[in-house]
Amino acid sequence: GEDVEQSLFLSVREGDSSVINCTYTDSSSTYLYWYKQEPGAGLQLLTYIFSNMDMKQDQRLTVLLNKKDKHLSLRIADTQTGDSAIYFCAVSGNTPLVFGKGTRLSVIA
Amino acid sequence: NAGVMQNPRHLVRRRGQEARLRCSPMKGHSHVYWYRQLPEEGLKFMVYLQKENIIDESGMPKERFSAEFPKEGPSILRIQQVVRGDSAAYFCASSLGLGQETQYFGPGTRLLVL
Repeated sequence: GEDVEQSLFLSVREGDSSVINCTYTDSSSTYLYWYKQEPGAGLQLLTYIFSNMDMKQDQRLTVLLNKKDKHLSLRIADTQTGDSAIYFCAVSGNTPLVFGKGTRLSVIA
Repeated sequence: NAGVMQNPRHLVRRRGQEARLRCSPMKGHSHVYWYRQLPEEGLKFMVYLQKENIIDESGMPKERFSAEFPKEGPSILRIQQVVRGDSAAYFCASSLGLGQETQYFGPGTRLLVL
């Protein structure tokens, strides 16, 4: 079945850019998502990209998709302390939504 | 414009009791999904339902767990005879369906089994 991998931790200084990476295994994945989870809260949909796109930009967020390498990344420009959270990559296609274990982003003031 | 609603937000049960978790999808959404999140883990798919139908329950444990989404009212995830290993956060998501599969999540129910 589909497997989604993320690095577990990322630490950046306030004002720097953060890049969170994700790899997946199922080449038939059609929708790829980034969700944000703050402590004790549910998942907030940040952005998503269709598999026929290479890039999507939405304000401070940039999503890059490399279908050949099955690699997805989320770049957060000008990272703020309020961006500290766990970020989940999730992919779907012919199977139910499959999540990575999440990357815990810590922003240092 | 209410989002996905779940209740209760926190639930404490003793071993052997039953847990009932409720989910009301976003207005206009007819598809509901349930996920379980263990501590320090990602979300694992459990079941996908449309009104009065279970579409995919491949992630649901074979015993003690059941889910329904009746014609009227919320979707219910039911766990019978809970054990300590059932302690987790249970999230519900909904989508519009009809090819619009982006899922929007509720705040979750945190179940603690003593």
